[in-house]
Amino acid sequence: GAVVSQHPSWVICKSGTSVKIECRSLDFQATTMFWYRQFPKQSLMLMATSNEGSKATYEQGVEKDKFLINHASLTLSTLTVTSAHPEDSSFYICAVGLARPNEQFFGPGTRLTVL
Amino acid sequence: AQSVTQLDSHVSVSEGTPVLLRCNYSSSYSPSLFWYVQHPNKGLQLLLKYTSAATLVKGINGFEAEFKKSETSFHLTKPSAHMSDAAEYFCALGGSQGNLIFGKGTKLSVKP
Repeated sequence: GAVVSQHPSWVICKSGTSVKIECRSLDFQATTMFWYRQFPKQSLMLMATSNEGSKATYEQGVEKDKFLINHASLTLSTLTVTSAHPEDSSFYICAVGLARPNEQFFGPGTRLTVL
Repeated sequence: AQSVTQLDSHVSVSEGTPVLLRCNYSSSYSPSLFWYVQHPNKGLQLLLKYTSAATLVKGINGFEAEFKKSETSFHLTKPSAHMSDAAEYFCALGGSQGNLIFGKGTKLSVKP
């Protein structure tokens, strides 16, 4: 499998500020990374698929100008929540896609709380 | 359309008794199916996967799942629950774009 880290593990910010979350693949060169969000007691919902060196593909209903994704290298993808609001408070989880179809390894997640 | 249904939102068992977490799927093509476990405030850990090989799949920590095409099911079982098994369990279906489609999850509680 792949070892995936996320930073920070939790963050509290004021409404209107921007927050950047990093996702790193520590032992695998990931051409594809996935970003999910998970509301309390709910399942994971795919936000976007990030491909190294190209623009991310966003799921329907996800604002690409609000959730900026950058996948500049094979080991790093970032998600920036711009002008965060309380309704953006959630658990954000990234995953690395392996060569085998659909197989993903997940990071530990980032808890975002917007006051 | 592709979808995953986890039939129970919460399952409670006593330590040492069997565990059964149910998952049904809908897919227009031969599916890849996964079970993940999530402990509080943690990411997901892969328990096992089915990718068109043996229908009985063995995973980590004593879990296994059986793919039944006729019943469109992929239920997760364990013969004897341990306190450390208490967590949220997600069944997932591989999508056509390399993505995963998750069920809503089943919270497993284990009583001493």
